[in-house]
Amino acid sequence: NAGVTQTPKFQVLKTGQSMTLQCAQDMNHEYMSWYRQDPGMGLRLIHYSVGAGITDQGEVPNGYNVSRSTTEDFPLRLLSAAPSQTSVYFCASSYRQGYEQYFGPGTRLTVT
Amino acid sequence: QKEVEQDPGPLSVPEGAIVSLNCTYSNSAFQYFMWYRQYSRKGPELLMYTYSSGNKEDGRFTAQVDKSSKYISLFIRDSQPSDSATYLCAMSAYRGSTLGRLYFGRGTQLTVWP
Repeated sequence: NAGVTQTPKFQVLKTGQSMTLQCAQDMNHEYMSWYRQDPGMGLRLIHYSVGAGITDQGEVPNGYNVSRSTTEDFPLRLLSAAPSQTSVYFCASSYRQGYEQYFGPGTRLTVT
Repeated sequence: QKEVEQDPGPLSVPEGAIVSLNCTYSNSAFQYFMWYRQYSRKGPELLMYTYSSGNKEDGRFTAQVDKSSKYISLFIRDSQPSDSATYLCAMSAYRGSTLGRLYFGRGTQLTVWP
């Protein structure tokens, strides 16, 4: 059981570039979410999904896109990277919304 | 007012001390409470979760919920240098519902020195 996996671990982008952060879970969880973590700001919810084909916005969705075509995968797309998106990104999953969440190891993203 | 308040610390204690970490919250509907531990440059790891009021013990860790005061605590007995990490509380009001979003505290940084 790998739990929640994320790739890549590190990424450096130039302003304006796009990329996709990958997230997968093998626990058959319905709920998946993306957070960003910045110093002094805590975890902030970007987007979430309550099941395949269903996504919704969190607190800070601007500049990010998600889709959920399978139960296992929940990729996060940065459409046009900006320095303000420099952060650590965590994917998490849970049995259902409101249940305890299990986190991936994170992706450290730097936008120059 | 934020939904969940948590003192960021830092908190520094000697090995063997009893550590108390706390969160307060404003939403009286919260009834599911979680504690996470996050080591530097790692993802948050679920430590414990409790439902409603009362205590729950797991080894050296005890989670306590006081719903009347809207206050939750995590106690660490016989603290070890390996307990040095950031501890985050989280809570939700409903399970399995569209209203069941998790709300996180900002985390308390703990250092246990030998």
